[in-house]
Amino acid sequence: EIVLTQSPVTLSLSPGERATLSCRASQSLSSYLAWYQQKPGQAPRLLIYDASNRAPGIPDRFSGSGSGTDFTLTISSLEPEDFAVYYCQQRRSWPLTFGGGTKVEIK
Amino acid sequence: EVQLVESGGGLVKPGGSLRLSCAASGFTFNTFGMNWVRQAPGQGLEWVSSISGDSTYIYYADSVKGRFTVSRDNARNSLFLQMNSLRAEDTAVYYCAGSPGTYWYFDLWGRGTLVTVSS
Repeated sequence: EIVLTQSPVTLSLSPGERATLSCRASQSLSSYLAWYQQKPGQAPRLLIYDASNRAPGIPDRFSGSGSGTDFTLTISSLEPEDFAVYYCQQRRSWPLTFGGGTKVEIK
Repeated sequence: EVQLVESGGGLVKPGGSLRLSCAASGFTFNTFGMNWVRQAPGQGLEWVSSISGDSTYIYYADSVKGRFTVSRDNARNSLFLQMNSLRAEDTAVYYCAGSPGTYWYFDLWGRGTLVTVSS
């Protein structure tokens, strides 16, 4: 099973600041990594797939990068609606796995 | 409008059974792999099961293998999860999620249905 480790667990930032979230895999994923955003009481929403491709309708302040075992989700300038929990997920092999999540909170 | 609507959740005793359903609309259902993803209260996301568009490929998490069975009915645009021998640790919101083709990302999501396993 591929283990995904997200860091930090919590990120405290102010609106307008840049957020950098990390996801590290226990083995190479090539580019088979996705990022999701989840707000309280809501289902997750796909943001990025295949490491760097934005899903339809996702603002361009969200970007993904990385390959192999190290991946990054960057939010260039935080909007109030971006404060949420973010998860990474791999589809490189079964079982599909998620990271533990990073909570982006208002400082 | 694309929609996934789960139903069938509720309170069940340990060892009991429950069948979840997911009704899909607004997209070509048989071209999507379908999945169940769960989230225990206050916890992260956990993948449970996946089924390909034509039901040829089926996968389960080790935590549910042998107890849960996923199926789909493409004529009725529906996905199912039969859950047997339920345990307290199966308590979670269960989400139905769709993946385009065999790109096993979760592109479409329902709102979830809560399953509580407790005596």
